[in-house]
Amino acid sequence: QLVLTQSPSASASLGASVKLTCTLSSGHSYYAIAWHQQQPEKAPRFLMRVYSDGSHNKGDGIPDRFSGFSSGAERYLSISSLQSEDEADYYCQVWGGDMMFGGGTRLTVL
Amino acid sequence: EVQLVESGGGLVQPGGSLRLSCAASGFTFSSHWMSWVRRAPGKGLEWVANIKQDGSDKYYVDSVKGRFTISRDNPKNSLYLQMNSLRAEDTAVYYCARDNDGFDIWGQGTMVTVSS
Repeated sequence: QLVLTQSPSASASLGASVKLTCTLSSGHSYYAIAWHQQQPEKAPRFLMRVYSDGSHNKGDGIPDRFSGFSSGAERYLSISSLQSEDEADYYCQVWGGDMMFGGGTRLTVL
Repeated sequence: EVQLVESGGGLVQPGGSLRLSCAASGFTFSSHWMSWVRRAPGKGLEWVANIKQDGSDKYYVDSVKGRFTISRDNPKNSLYLQMNSLRAEDTAVYYCARDNDGFDIWGQGTMVTVSS
């Protein structure tokens, strides 16, 4: 059974970098995922797709500060030069026959 | 401009019905799977249902099977969600989203509150 696991919370200082993780359950390490950002009181926004080979492709207008990569069953979202507007909930998602989201990570920018 | 705009949310009593609509513009609506996604208060995102380009295939999360029906009207560039037998746990903001190997376009959402 496919499960996407995310840490409930993360924090980092303004101007620093942070890496958020989405872990695919055993047997599903080949899945690609999408990352979405949801700022408070706003609609979700597509950030990027991250593939098992480590490649990623970003949505329109997503800053270079956002990048994605993979290692085994882990899919990562890296954010550099943190800004206050990066404080948000971040979700990973798989698509197709196993449509689902991870539980989300709330990022606090200190 | 690529856009999805939801409407139809509101307050409804338990057991009641509501129909949500989503108007698409700026892309070829008929070429894409489309989904409804919701976020309940204090909870994370939950995929609810999706529909194939021509409407021939539809899928639902278990919790809404038999109660919700997704549909589309391609000439009108519109997506719908008919929600019957509503429960308190259906209270959420409902978003329509374009399926494009991940949800790459999202609407602004419409609030559904199920309460007596």
